[in-house]
Amino acid sequence: GAGVSQSPSNKVTEKGKDVELRCDPISGHTALYWYRQSLGQGLEFLIYFQGNSAPDKSGLPSDRFSAERTGGSVSTLTIQRTQQEDSAVYLCASSKGEQPQHFGDGTRLSIL
Amino acid sequence: QQPVQSPQAVILREGEDAVINCSSSKALYSVHWYRQKHGEAPVFLMILLKGGEQKGHDKISASFNEKKQQSSLYLTASQLSYSGTYFCGTGDSWGKLQFGAGTQVVVTP
Repeated sequence: GAGVSQSPSNKVTEKGKDVELRCDPISGHTALYWYRQSLGQGLEFLIYFQGNSAPDKSGLPSDRFSAERTGGSVSTLTIQRTQQEDSAVYLCASSKGEQPQHFGDGTRLSIL
Repeated sequence: QQPVQSPQAVILREGEDAVINCSSSKALYSVHWYRQKHGEAPVFLMILLKGGEQKGHDKISASFNEKKQQSSLYLTASQLSYSGTYFCGTGDSWGKLQFGAGTQVVVTP
């Protein structure tokens, strides 16, 4: 596709359930980022994939959060045993080298 | 470490100017500026690489002082469409960006 695609656009789930968020980056972009944005807040870095290098997971808030990127393309962010404080918009972005990051429209996650 | 943005918010009348600052405690390789409107994804404005160059985009320009480890975004003759939250992202040698907390800009008629 032309841009970064994220799915689902909205997800409502019960506390304690696991969720998977998907990101399809722009073709050819070697870098992929996940951010979390709570209402009215900034962009909180979660994880960064660059080519075949080991991902930078330094922003993941707890071991309930994990992410993988298969074949250097699609990425999945998994949150296990969701908590109410996990409610936020999860944004994915991709880039090529030092070029600008292109953001997807995000997944709005609501934990009941 | 997250860069520090100032001010947190600014209210302008159409046609007025504003400056948003972004400073880092770490050496910078690049600075990226984005604008996010309510309910939308951040949109890229400009990128500045090492070299202290100034870039422009319409009446929005930015400077990068790598010695001082800071960048400034200049909104000149602001338009209503400039309203939104502006984020600076500072890049390290690996290309990883850390974003500031954002500066909310409101331009009124």
